[in-house]
Amino acid sequence: GESVGLHLPTLSVQEGDNSIINCAYSNSASDYFIWYKQESGKGPQFIIDIRSNMDKRQGQRVTVLLNKTVKHLSLQIAATQPGDSAVYFCAENKAGTALIFGKGTTLSVSS
Amino acid sequence: DGGITQSPKYLFRKEGQNVTLSCEQNLNHDAMYWYRQDPGQGLRLIYYSQIVNDFQKGDIAEGYSVSREKKESFPLTVTSAQKNPTAFYLCASTPTGISTDTQYFGPGTRLTVL
Repeated sequence: GESVGLHLPTLSVQEGDNSIINCAYSNSASDYFIWYKQESGKGPQFIIDIRSNMDKRQGQRVTVLLNKTVKHLSLQIAATQPGDSAVYFCAENKAGTALIFGKGTTLSVSS
Repeated sequence: DGGITQSPKYLFRKEGQNVTLSCEQNLNHDAMYWYRQDPGQGLRLIYYSQIVNDFQKGDIAEGYSVSREKKESFPLTVTSAQKNPTAFYLCASTPTGISTDTQYFGPGTRLTVL
């Protein structure tokens, strides 16, 4: 069936490094993609989104890249901080369907 | 303070009992959703509702029931028919129905079956 997955379940980085979290999606008809951050015991928080008519979108310290040719989505976090430690989920959908979530990547930032 | 609230934060249930999880939003959003999250897993859709008095099953609806009598409320009942109910339950909402909109999540309810 359709699924969204992340390449790595865990990622460990040093404070100040840039982090890249990857996600592969299987539905070429998807036209909306979101990254969420989830801290332990809390609900997911919206980070950034991108629609299929774009390749790149930047927010504050975060950038999302979309490569529709290979159905790949990535989240780049600049100057990673300890407060960025969390589980990051990508999600996708197309209009008229519910979001499909990946399994998540746990980002650990050490000082 | 606008947002989505879920209560209680922690819930314990004896096997064989039904239990209802609350989800309320004051964002005036049309659509609401319930997800289940298991350790190390992504979110799986249980039920969703795009308008009042209407709802649809998600991927794992068996053993659950919902109602949508008011726009701001979407309670989830975990019935005794749900064989493995221990999980973290998340409620979400979007401004309009199923569409390419950002979902806003509540803080979650952790249900433990004793």
